[in-house]
Amino acid sequence: ETGVTQTPRHLVMGMTNKKSLKCEQHLGHNAMYWYKQSAKKPLELMFVYSLEERVENNSVPSRFSPECPNSSHLFLHLHTLQPEDSALYLCASSLGVGGAQETQYFGPGTRLLVL
Amino acid sequence: GNSVTQMEGPVTLSEEAFLTINCTYTATGYPSLFWYVQYPGEGLQLLLKATKADDKGSNKGFEATYRKETTSFHLEKGSVQVSDSAVYFCALSPDYSDKLIFGTGTRLQVFP
Repeated sequence: ETGVTQTPRHLVMGMTNKKSLKCEQHLGHNAMYWYKQSAKKPLELMFVYSLEERVENNSVPSRFSPECPNSSHLFLHLHTLQPEDSALYLCASSLGVGGAQETQYFGPGTRLLVL
Repeated sequence: GNSVTQMEGPVTLSEEAFLTINCTYTATGYPSLFWYVQYPGEGLQLLLKATKADDKGSNKGFEATYRKETTSFHLEKGSVQVSDSAVYFCALSPDYSDKLIFGTGTRLQVFP
């Protein structure tokens, strides 16, 4: 499989559940990103990882916990979410982080609904 | 700060019509500019980009020119198809950064 894949594609969870989103990139990239896409709002960058180290955390609530075990995989662990966290969560990757203004390649997203 | 402003949609056109989606930006230095497209049920795909003033990005019949004097990067296509129906996002990457700052997106609907 090529490109950036995300699983699951759809997820419904209660506010007390714990779930994880998975992203995998097959492009040999070194940087990975989590974005949140809500209706009528710009995409919000949540986290950036470069070579498995978190380099950016944009004031995201602690109920979202990222994990990057290697440069090909990125997880977003979810617990005690709120209904306003319902959104499309997009993963992206790029060749590297370091000011090169490189192209980011996106996965298809996980559509999350919190009840 | 850095920001991107796009025209609100939806933009509704008949097949073979001319398309313009406006995008203006605010940034310091020399950002790179991008257009991404999101087809229904899919993630974002890079459509085209431009990295310096007066550059023209082009792909699949779409074009956009980096205009520093007007801080704009308008997307154009001479003849749209039904298959172009999607949401189009303008974005910038600030100088010396890999961050992407997106506009809110513009939905395009093309009817036969």
